Amino acid sequence: KQEVTQIPAALSVPEGENLVLNCSFTDSAIYNLQWFRQDPGKGLTSLLLIQSSQREQTSGRLNASLDKSSGRSTLYIAASQPGDSATYLCAVRRTYNFNKFYFGSGTKLNVKP
Amino acid sequence: ETGVTQSPTHLIKTRGQQVTLRCSSQSGHNTVSWYQQALGQGPQFIFQYYREEENGRGNFPPRFSGLQFPNYSSELNVNALELDDSALYLCASSPGDTHTEAFFGQGTRLTVV
Repeated sequence: KQEVTQIPAALSVPEGENLVLNCSFTDSAIYNLQWFRQDPGKGLTSLLLIQSSQREQTSGRLNASLDKSSGRSTLYIAASQPGDSATYLCAVRRTYNFNKFYFGSGTKLNVKP
Repeated sequence: ETGVTQSPTHLIKTRGQQVTLRCSSQSGHNTVSWYQQALGQGPQFIFQYYREEENGRGNFPPRFSGLQFPNYSSELNVNALELDDSALYLCASSPGDTHTEAFFGQGTRLTVV
């Protein structure tokens, strides 16, 4: 069974800080891992997709890394802004299964002006 | 804007009633998945449809059922609603290739009273 854990559950930082969100998964047999952003009461916005053969992906101020063997991924946000305040979810797709995501419970980020 | 559209955005139903939620997938995507997200939790997989056939199911009772149409749009039907069915229901569409991104709609907020 695949279990996905995100730490911390909540994070509050002042504007301008660099920060790291953590995601761990129990089964390393994954196709890929995707990071999402969710604003309150809204759907999911895809941020970054990392294939199992990749080590990291970058988009603007966001950088996601993947260490499949240890079952870990990190999302690095540089120079945080109040507009980054949201819940960040990571999700994995397993190798031995259909196209199903296993989600963590998310990290709720608050960036203070 | 993901190109995945869900309707309605909000819905209030009475316990015991039936509800139908709709999802219009992104153009060219033949795979649709449905997820249930309770408050403060990550989304949980309900089922997936690939080319009009159910292609996998999560740990949800049979009163959760679905359809996918020839244009790849989809419906989620829930019978005999229970209070615990109150949640955000998300659909995700993808091209059917597990190596590509999935895109989520904005969700339908269902409240059962």
